[in-house]
Amino acid sequence: GDSVTQMEGPVTLSEEAFLTINCTYTATGYPSLFWYVQYPGEGLQLLLKATKADDKGSNKGFEATYRKETTSFHLEKGSVQVSDSAVYFCALSDRVNYGGSQGNLIFGKGTKLSVKP
Amino acid sequence: GAGVSQSPSNKVTEKGKDVELRCDPISGHTALYWYRQSLGQGLEFLIYFQGNSAPDKSGLPSDRFSAERTGGSVSTLTIQRTQQEDSAVYLCASSPRQGRGLSYEQYFGPGTRLTVT
Repeated sequence: GDSVTQMEGPVTLSEEAFLTINCTYTATGYPSLFWYVQYPGEGLQLLLKATKADDKGSNKGFEATYRKETTSFHLEKGSVQVSDSAVYFCALSDRVNYGGSQGNLIFGKGTKLSVKP
Repeated sequence: GAGVSQSPSNKVTEKGKDVELRCDPISGHTALYWYRQSLGQGLEFLIYFQGNSAPDKSGLPSDRFSAERTGGSVSTLTIQRTQQEDSAVYLCASSPRQGRGLSYEQYFGPGTRLTVT
């Protein structure tokens, strides 16, 4: 079945450092790819998405490019801030009725990011 | 506009009791999902509703779990005879529309933290 693998944390960085969180996936159909973020004490928020190969999703200085050839969707940010401290989840959603999918999200296990001032 | 709301935010119950968790999706969203977030299992898909169609129950962990959606809007997740392993955060998400070959991002509520003692 479909699955998502992301790098395990925790990841600790200094402010203004470069961030990469690796994410790879397996899917039978044509998935959309997402990064969700969960700030301390809050719910899941959509950070960015990409719906087809070579699409780049971006938001709040974060970027990720849908790479079909390497089945990857790595999250990057050039200069992290303390306020970026959160847990980041990579997820995919296969198209409805492809491989039995109902469009539900399949998540990686999450990567906790701590940014120190 | 208003986001997805869930109630209660916290629920503590004794083992063996039944609990009901409520979700109000974003107005106009026809697709509704329930997920469970626990330390050991990460984020797991539970059940999916599309409009007034019969739900996809493929993710429910046991027959003690059931859900209904009234009028294509509000949903209730019921756990009967709760067990300690049911302790988790239960998340509801809604999406504008799901259909064959389509996939849309999902918007999450704040969750209900269930503790079974």
